[in-house]
Amino acid sequence: AQKITQTQPGMFVQEKEAVTLDCTYDTSDQSYGLFWYKQPSSGEMIFLIYQGSYDEQNATEGRYSLNFQKARKSANLVISASQLGDSAMYFCATSHGNQFYFGTGTSLTVIP
Amino acid sequence: DSGVTQTPKHLITATGQRVTLRCSPRSGDLSVYWYQQSLDQGLQFLIQYYNGEERAKGNILERFSAQQFPDLHSELNLSSLELGDSALYFCASSPGTGGLAFTDTQYFGPGTRLTVL
Repeated sequence: AQKITQTQPGMFVQEKEAVTLDCTYDTSDQSYGLFWYKQPSSGEMIFLIYQGSYDEQNATEGRYSLNFQKARKSANLVISASQLGDSAMYFCATSHGNQFYFGTGTSLTVIP
Repeated sequence: DSGVTQTPKHLITATGQRVTLRCSPRSGDLSVYWYQQSLDQGLQFLIQYYNGEERAKGNILERFSAQQFPDLHSELNLSSLELGDSALYFCASSPGTGGLAFTDTQYFGPGTRLTVL
């Protein structure tokens, strides 16, 4: 069964605009983590933001925020004030049991 | 820079050969994870070690093995290599055990790009 789903293979956003990258997950665990990573064309994986399943507040890290809707099992990443350097692949990931799963990624292109 | 180092950066080898990928975790991190990223399979979790012991196993082939040494560095051994093993192999580290909650944030190294010809 697919544990994590990213339905947007590619997204475009105008520079300085906000963009939302979608992520849904499937778990029966009560305790789990949700993560977003950025992978630029250079290949490295960069940690962006983490949300714990028991966290009441949505996580925020600078221009990144995570729109966590537990009942809907969604953990969308919101990037505010997009910059050209935000162009990259974005992966949502989750823990489930003793495993760690990544989505297929969303390619974000920021247009000047 | 995440603080996780991986060597070598690139590796080109032939089918049937064996290679060893090396990873040094961030200072103080006890957990090491290995991942494979390929075009057809995406990012797949292979295996996790915590303080020298295997803690979790993902989609790791029997031809692959890993270990974590007392100084906490880890090696991923890939043997009887096939064309399909060509991929980017990432190591990541985190402070805790991962355990059942698996809620530790993982920090990734730059990866080793393996090409099997």
